[in-house]
Amino acid sequence: EPEVTQTPSHQVTQMGQEVILRCVPISNHLYFYWYRQILGQKVEFLVSFYNNEISEKSEIFDDQFSVERPDGSNFTLKIRSTKLEDSAMYFCASRAMGPDTGELFFGEGSRLTVL
Amino acid sequence: AQKVTQAQTEISVVEKEDVTLDCVYETRDTTYYLFWYKQPPSGELVFLIRRNSFDEQNEISGRYSWNFQKSTSSFNFTITASQVVDSAVYFCALTDSGGYQKVTFGIGTKLQVIP
Repeated sequence: EPEVTQTPSHQVTQMGQEVILRCVPISNHLYFYWYRQILGQKVEFLVSFYNNEISEKSEIFDDQFSVERPDGSNFTLKIRSTKLEDSAMYFCASRAMGPDTGELFFGEGSRLTVL
Repeated sequence: AQKVTQAQTEISVVEKEDVTLDCVYETRDTTYYLFWYKQPPSGELVFLIRRNSFDEQNEISGRYSWNFQKSTSSFNFTITASQVVDSAVYFCALTDSGGYQKVTFGIGTKLQVIP
């Protein structure tokens, strides 16, 4: 069964450092997303990406965040200068194209700990 | 703006009891999708069900059943004969009708099934 894969599963970093979280969406999917879940809280939308550009972003997704699809398979989330409050589980998701394909396939998440 | 409310933050039941998790949503869209996801202690998000706004039929899948009532904007989830493996956080979620289908999650209900 196709799946979304994320690396690393857990990353520990110092405040102020840059972090790149990587995702490989399902191969024939065209819509890509990043979501964040601070420990014990709900899953929050960060950004959606389609046709090589950001289609929507939340207020959380400020200038410290960026996304990129550097090649045909990877979808990355970069945090330029991490803050303590960026500590969270980050989920990548992808979706196939079409009006009745509302299901998001989520990766297993990347846990980011900022010290 | 869309909103998903899960009023029950934590529920404990004894194994084999039935349990219903409530979900109430708000949206201005006439076309939307509703979801339930399970998040076990390992942290990944497991898709359980997707229901579009035009399909009000209740659905049963094994021990799981869902009751979608558009008139009350509710999409409740029932687990019959609960098992310890059902212990997890359950999220109700809602997409908008935009082409990019951002998902809005509820805060989650933590279910603990006691042996």
